[in-house]
Amino acid sequence: DVKVTQSSRYLVKRTGEKVFLECVQDMDHENMFWYRQDPGLGLRLIYFSYDVKMKEKGDIPEGYSVSREKKERFSLILESASTNQTSMYLCASSLESRQGGAFFGQGTRLTVV
Amino acid sequence: GQNIDQPTEMTATEGAIVQINCTYQTSGFNGLFWYQQHAGEAPTFLSYNVLDGLEEKGRFSSFLSRSKGYSYLLLKELQMKDSASYLCAVFSGSARQLTFGSGTQLTVLP
Repeated sequence: DVKVTQSSRYLVKRTGEKVFLECVQDMDHENMFWYRQDPGLGLRLIYFSYDVKMKEKGDIPEGYSVSREKKERFSLILESASTNQTSMYLCASSLESRQGGAFFGQGTRLTVV
Repeated sequence: GQNIDQPTEMTATEGAIVQINCTYQTSGFNGLFWYQQHAGEAPTFLSYNVLDGLEEKGRFSSFLSRSKGYSYLLLKELQMKDSASYLCAVFSGSARQLTFGSGTQLTVLP
């Protein structure tokens, strides 16, 4: 079974802190994605990557950055956390042949206080 | 830009059939996905359409019309456990971007 693992299930951080959300997949997938999910707004794409060291902005990249130094790991970085970044963050990975769909991690509920 | 629309909520009765519609306008198209998401859990993959027509997988079927920018998910013989949010997502080829709609919350009543 494909496994996508996010480093934390729940996280509480203070405003202004630098926050790292880690995601690891074990199926050698080329594509990896970071989304945030908020009530009424659905899943919104923050950043994605289709290869090591490659990154592309999604629909809402402001206030975030990413790092993909190894194929299996995709990190989301909040440079200076703000309260409007309180959300559920979901990581996903998929094969280059998209027929297989994207597989999601269990999500990280981040609260910024 | 990407725009994906689906109804916010639907209600149906156990044993019935329900159709959840999705319309999309995206720059490029490389496939449409349907996902199921139960409360507090991550989305799970249900189906994939890249060509026009109907794909059937057990109680779930998904239809695509690329010319109309339209898809639907058909759930038959509804069960209580089918109460969940159903997400439509489009893979936009050149951008390699997977964009989701806001989801349709389906409630199955006894």
